[in-house]
Amino acid sequence: DAKTTQPPSMDCAEGRAANLPCNHSTISGNEYVYWYRQIHSQGPQYIIHGLKNNETNEMASLIITEDRKSSTLILPHATLRDTAVYYCIVRVLNYGGATNKLIFGTGTLLAVQP
Amino acid sequence: DGGITQSPKYLFRKEGQNVTLSCEQNLNHDAMYWYRQDPGQGLRLIYYSQIVNDFQKGDIAEGYSVSREKKESFPLTVTSAQKNPTAFYLCASSIWGRRTDTQYFGPGTRLTVL
Repeated sequence: DAKTTQPPSMDCAEGRAANLPCNHSTISGNEYVYWYRQIHSQGPQYIIHGLKNNETNEMASLIITEDRKSSTLILPHATLRDTAVYYCIVRVLNYGGATNKLIFGTGTLLAVQP
Repeated sequence: DGGITQSPKYLFRKEGQNVTLSCEQNLNHDAMYWYRQDPGQGLRLIYYSQIVNDFQKGDIAEGYSVSREKKESFPLTVTSAQKNPTAFYLCASSIWGRRTDTQYFGPGTRLTVL
């Protein structure tokens, strides 16, 4: 699975959009971009994933560049409850092997300020 | 409500004792996973199971055992052979066999060896 690079920490004012970047310059054509977040002492929460098109759901938007070497997770109106570590994961689905495991890096600690 | 439950939330064990962590899901997912998370680190895969009565070792299976007698349940036993068992344990589940198999996590069990 491709390696990802994220800033270790970011701040965001409550009510503003939070834009979390992720670089994955070695991504291959069949690898998806996944985002999870982990609030302190809780299990990771799935947010969104995509292949090459931009995606939006009730939680966030995912913007993937045309060359797929980077992406941005957007939380449109951040609240204090969005304070968490956000993980960007790039992975390919291989049937029948342990490669279905998720490889979490160190992520970005997003601190939403009141 | 559909989801994954883990119990107990906190668990204390004396050295030399085996302990079993519970994981139950009612999402009708085929696959289930156990991960371990140490402070400030990512997740590491312990075991996973694609179907009932079958399971595979992950990256750090030594000192752990699992069973999968029912689709809904995937208990993890931490044995006395595990040298450093104090950690946050996370169970996840997913559909198996699709191009994207989003994994959903339980709330976790924090195990402390005294």
